[in-house]
Amino acid sequence: GAVVSQHPSRVICKSGTSVKIECRSLDFQATTMFWYRQFPKQSLMLMATSNEGSKATYEQGVEKDKFLINHASLTLSTLTVTSAHPEDSSFYICSATRGLAEETQYFGPGTRLLVL
Amino acid sequence: LAKTTQPISMDSYEGQEVNITCSHNNIATNDYITWYQQFPSQGPRFIIQGYKTKVTNEVASLFIPADRKSSTLSLPRVSLSDTAVYYCLVGAGSARQLTFGSGTQLTVLP
Repeated sequence: GAVVSQHPSRVICKSGTSVKIECRSLDFQATTMFWYRQFPKQSLMLMATSNEGSKATYEQGVEKDKFLINHASLTLSTLTVTSAHPEDSSFYICSATRGLAEETQYFGPGTRLLVL
Repeated sequence: LAKTTQPISMDSYEGQEVNITCSHNNIATNDYITWYQQFPSQGPRFIIQGYKTKVTNEVASLFIPADRKSSTLSLPRVSLSDTAVYYCLVGAGSARQLTFGSGTQLTVLP
């Protein structure tokens, strides 16, 4: 149980275009989802926390107008990178949790974004 | 959020037991300790979680001393496929965001 999927697994786009990444909890309802970014040979950095039906909470230094997050249902959260630039190229990973007290977070497989 | 400190890298040989220690001096009373494994270009995979003393599952053991200021992940008889980055995180359950430290790159040699 507790499977999280992401789509697409990798995407290449031109500079200036927008890219949407989906994160789905397949076998459980996720009250909270998290979005992380990971650059090569670095650790994961939290971008934002997303609760179903409410606005996402962004970490300091993350532009909310550039990284649009929508958590419209208990099984789906989307991250849209607007007007992507080469420096946005990274590995984007989501995680989800049911919100139970000591439960761990379950991570998706990640999405590799390359902006040309 | 409690900060964690781990060795940057470790090498081991196949079949050996590997112990990775993590320091978390400012762990809070309601924080749990969770270890994840990450392979290149994949999302982190949950390994084990504990609060105090010892926890064991089918892949690892987690040892937590009484003061909870550190924890040790023990991987029995590692294989080449255990080569990965291992992250130690502390946090108060699923509702809180996790802060990833630098992790430990474990390399298992033949």
